Parts: sequence; structure tokens; C-alpha cells
Amino acid sequence: DGGITQSPKYLFRKEGQNVTLSCEQNLNHDAMYWYRQDPGQGLRLIYYSQIVNDFQKGDIAEGYSVSREKKESFPLTVTSAQKNPTAFYLCASSMGSRTPRAFFGQGTRLTVV
Amino acid sequence: KQEVTQIPAALSVPEGENLVLNCSFTDSAIYNLQWFRQDPGKGLTSLLLIQSSQREQTSGRLNASLDKSSGRSTLYIAASQPGDSATYLCAVTGGTSYGKLTFGQGTILTVHP
Repeated sequence: DGGITQSPKYLFRKEGQNVTLSCEQNLNHDAMYWYRQDPGQGLRLIYYSQIVNDFQKGDIAEGYSVSREKKESFPLTVTSAQKNPTAFYLCASSMGSRTPRAFFGQGTRLTVV
Repeated sequence: KQEVTQIPAALSVPEGENLVLNCSFTDSAIYNLQWFRQDPGKGLTSLLLIQSSQREQTSGRLNASLDKSSGRSTLYIAASQPGDSATYLCAVTGGTSYGKLTFGQGTILTVHP
């Protein structure tokens, strides 16, 4: 089946720790995105990548880092510099054309303990 | 900066009713508008995508319209069912966004038997 796989589904982070969220797609999409969702709010863009080895900051990139070494993978690291990381994180991909349909993973819920 | 607003924030209707969800955006220079469905704790499922040159799209009981000049879109759901209960999000791409989505905060729909 083609799609986007995020893991883990639930993640717990201690204060001061870095954690990495995985996102893999087998849709052969060029573009990938990371969004954050807080309760009662829409999604906000953290980082996006249009091609391998290239990525740009979104609206709320502070305290996060990404890499795009392979077309199918776009991991997100939540660093200790992110002061309020508890949220639902969603990864998406699209063909990257000007009128792409976006496909989303099932999300990772990150909680600080 | 593009801003997307959805009205109402929540809607509760009896089964069988036809209903309309509203979405407005401040910058009419969009490439497309998408409507998504989100079930609790899950990722987003794309329902309909309307390109900027189109006026509407239909899928089953769903019909989405787009009036780019006035910055508005509506999602019409016919003969609502309890299984339609979810959060509905609209999102736009535009300018140099290259597929980046700007989301509204969503409408929480409850269809009761």
C-alpha cells in the first residue's frame, strides 16, 4: 500500500532530551512537510523540503531540526530548545507541483514528562 | 500573510440534515484549496481539492465551492450521517508557498442519530 508512515504513534520526552520523529513515504513524492497541531488550533508548518538535501523553515521552526537525505524519509528532531513541545505532529507529502494534493500520516503525539 | 478562518467552530445537527461549512481566506492569490477530514487522534484525510481555476468539486455527498475573488469556500454535506462526525479543516496554498498549506482552525461536526 502506498502512503505515509509516522512512528512512533506516542512519544514521551523528558526535560532536556532531544527526540526524533520518523516519517517515511512510498508515494514517490518530491515534497515533504512537518506540521504541529495544538488543541483547538489548526496546523502550523514547522519545516518543509522540496527535494532531497534541501529544506526550509516554516512558521514555527525554532527548537526543531530536520534532514532530507533520502527522498522517502524526512525525520524531525525536537530539541531541548523547544520549550513547549507537547503537541500532535503530522507529516505530509505532495508531488510538489503548484497544485499538489497533500497526503498525511497518522501523526505522533509527543508529551513532555 | 495569508489567514484562513472557518465558521462555525462547532456544529451539531440531527442525522439526515443538509449542512454547510464555511471557510474564508484573506489573500485571493491561491493555487488551490483543500478540504480535509480529521477523526480524533488521527491524521488528515483529503476530501476535495479545488484548483484556483475551478468553481466547485463534488465527491459523493460532498460538494465544495470556491469563490476566489471574495476569498470564500463552502463545503456542503448532503444527508448527513453519524459517521460524518469529525473535524473538517480547510487549507489553501498560494504565492511562493510551493505546496505549503495554510490551515483554518477547523469546524467540529457532530451528527446525532
